[in-house]
Amino acid sequence: EAGVAQSPRYKIIEKRQSVAFWCNPISGHATLYWYQQILGQGPKLLIQFQNNGVVDDSQLPKDRFSAERLKGVDSTLKIQPAKLEDSAVYLCASSSVGTQYFGPGTRLTVL
Amino acid sequence: AQKVTQAQTEISVVEKEDVTLDCVYETRDTTYYLFWYKQPPSGELVFLIRRNSFDEQNEISGRYSWNFQKSTSSFNFTITASQVVDSAVYFCALILNAGGTSYGKLTFGQGTILTVHP
Repeated sequence: EAGVAQSPRYKIIEKRQSVAFWCNPISGHATLYWYQQILGQGPKLLIQFQNNGVVDDSQLPKDRFSAERLKGVDSTLKIQPAKLEDSAVYLCASSSVGTQYFGPGTRLTVL
Repeated sequence: AQKVTQAQTEISVVEKEDVTLDCVYETRDTTYYLFWYKQPPSGELVFLIRRNSFDEQNEISGRYSWNFQKSTSSFNFTITASQVVDSAVYFCALILNAGGTSYGKLTFGQGTILTVHP
């Protein structure tokens, strides 16, 4: 069974630029999560989708971050404009009955 | 609100030593799940184990074992006869079960960096 796929794996941008990340969850998993992991910390939830509806986006900085999950499968996370403090690893996870399986992450560096 | 505390920031051992990673959690809910994940240098979070709040049986899987004690709100992880490949960051995490198949977010601890020297 294929795992969670994410792309790109690495991205370097300058502040105020835009960036987008893509996630393809495990087939059949209804729930999809985006987490932000800053160096030296545990992952922090940004947004949770159930099928194509948002369940929790309370910690998503909505002035610059947006996410969508069209057709309840793939998802994209966008940052516009990026700030220096957005440098982090962005992890996508999916689950079907509570256990979350993570993708390899996208390491974002904002210069 | 939930909280997970991993008091050990870094642990360093020599190969073949046993090592225990501590995890203490806080929640007012009675139905929850506890997890351990491994994050090797490659960066991907690898699922190791899941335990529900009603099952306090300890579990062993090869060199790994887990001790869940609700009385002390702890879910500790022991690696027996550690190996260099065990070097990674280990995260303890908690999730609430809102009922049926509805789950909340994972609340992670800060992680413990384990280094196993040859």
